[in-house]
Amino acid sequence: GENVEQHPSTLSVQEGDSAVIKCTYSDSASNYFPWYKQELGKRPQLIIDIRSNVGEKKDQRIAVTLNKTAKHFSLHITETQPEDSAVYFCAASIGTNAGKSTFGDGTTLTVKP
Amino acid sequence: SQTIHQWPATLVQPVGSPLSLECTVEGTSNPNLYWYRQAAGRGLQLLFYSVGIGQISSEVPQNLSASRPQDRQFILSSKKLLLSDSGFYLCAWSKRGHGYTFGSGTRLTVV
Repeated sequence: GENVEQHPSTLSVQEGDSAVIKCTYSDSASNYFPWYKQELGKRPQLIIDIRSNVGEKKDQRIAVTLNKTAKHFSLHITETQPEDSAVYFCAASIGTNAGKSTFGDGTTLTVKP
Repeated sequence: SQTIHQWPATLVQPVGSPLSLECTVEGTSNPNLYWYRQAAGRGLQLLFYSVGIGQISSEVPQNLSASRPQDRQFILSSKKLLLSDSGFYLCAWSKRGHGYTFGSGTRLTVV
């Protein structure tokens, strides 16, 4: 089955700096890569996603890049703010009927004011 | 708009007791439904998923079971809870090829 590895497990940055979280996947058939943000005690929420026919996608301060050849994808957050502090999860799935996702173990991002 | 409801929010149950967690989705039809478990400080482990009424696929062997009696209802059950069943249980729904919308979660503590 699919295996997703996520690094780093913890990341601390100063407010205004950029943060980068990286994930690798094992199944070359995976073609959908969402990212979720989970604040303490709350549910994960989808923040951005990318499909295998696209190399990069941007939404305001958040961007995701995908390298299909190397089987890795990354989340980039620019101009970080304290409210960006949360656990971020990457995931990979095959866009079949089931649509089940395999998640990375998460990255705890702390933005220091 | 679509909404997902999950209850209860918290649950403390003794070892060996039964379990029933319920999840319902509104505003969509024929959603894919999922049950995930999140151990403290860990990632999300897929337990069950369903692509239609009565269609349940299990990802890991365990003493939990799932049922989908109606299109927008997904139930997680156990006949006898173990200490290792403690965790944060999340129900989610998606449409084919899209990301998940998670329920608010149930924090289960088995004592």
